[in-house]
Amino acid sequence: GNSVTQMEGPVTLSEEAFLTINCTYTATGYPSLFWYVQYPGEGLQLLLKATKADDKGSNKGFEATYRKETTSFHLEKGSVQVSDSAVYFCALNTGGFKTIFGAGTRLFVKA
Amino acid sequence: SAVISQKPSRDICQRGTSLTIQCQVDSQVTMMFWYRQQPGQSLTLIATANQGSEATYESGFVIDKFPISRPNLTFSTLTVSNMSPEDSSIYLCSVEGGGQGVAGELFFGEGSRLTVL
Repeated sequence: GNSVTQMEGPVTLSEEAFLTINCTYTATGYPSLFWYVQYPGEGLQLLLKATKADDKGSNKGFEATYRKETTSFHLEKGSVQVSDSAVYFCALNTGGFKTIFGAGTRLFVKA
Repeated sequence: SAVISQKPSRDICQRGTSLTIQCQVDSQVTMMFWYRQQPGQSLTLIATANQGSEATYESGFVIDKFPISRPNLTFSTLTVSNMSPEDSSIYLCSVEGGGQGVAGELFFGEGSRLTVL
């Protein structure tokens, strides 16, 4: 079945550090891939998406590239800020009504 | 995009009682989704609610425990019945973006955090 695996957290970084959160997936067909972010006390928000191989999604300084050969969609940001502290979820959808979410990775950014 | 309002935002409930969560969307949508997020866990889809028909439940979730109503294209309710401490979770209402959006591009309410004592 379809699944998403992302690196365990928490990840703790200093402000302006480089961020990578790994995400790999297993899916039949050609899924769309997503990163969602959940700030403390809030619901999830779509951060970025990619719908086909080699697409790069980007938003708010975050980027992720859809790598079909490695079935990966790693999230990166060159310089994190304290305000980026949140839980990040990788997710996939193969075109139906069910979106599969990874376990989430909690990021703490220290000033 | 869609703006989703959920009520209540949080509640503390007694074992054996039931609670209904309301979800209001600012536009008409075909499908509404209810997710559960247990403490420190990821999201699990409970059911998909389509206006005018019975909700479709995922494996492990049943209508008697989580009855859902979908009376129109902008509103849905989820009831958590006969609650136990294991039901302590955040319950999230969600819709797809529609239009130029892709399947899986979801908008979420802020969630309803339930604590069952």
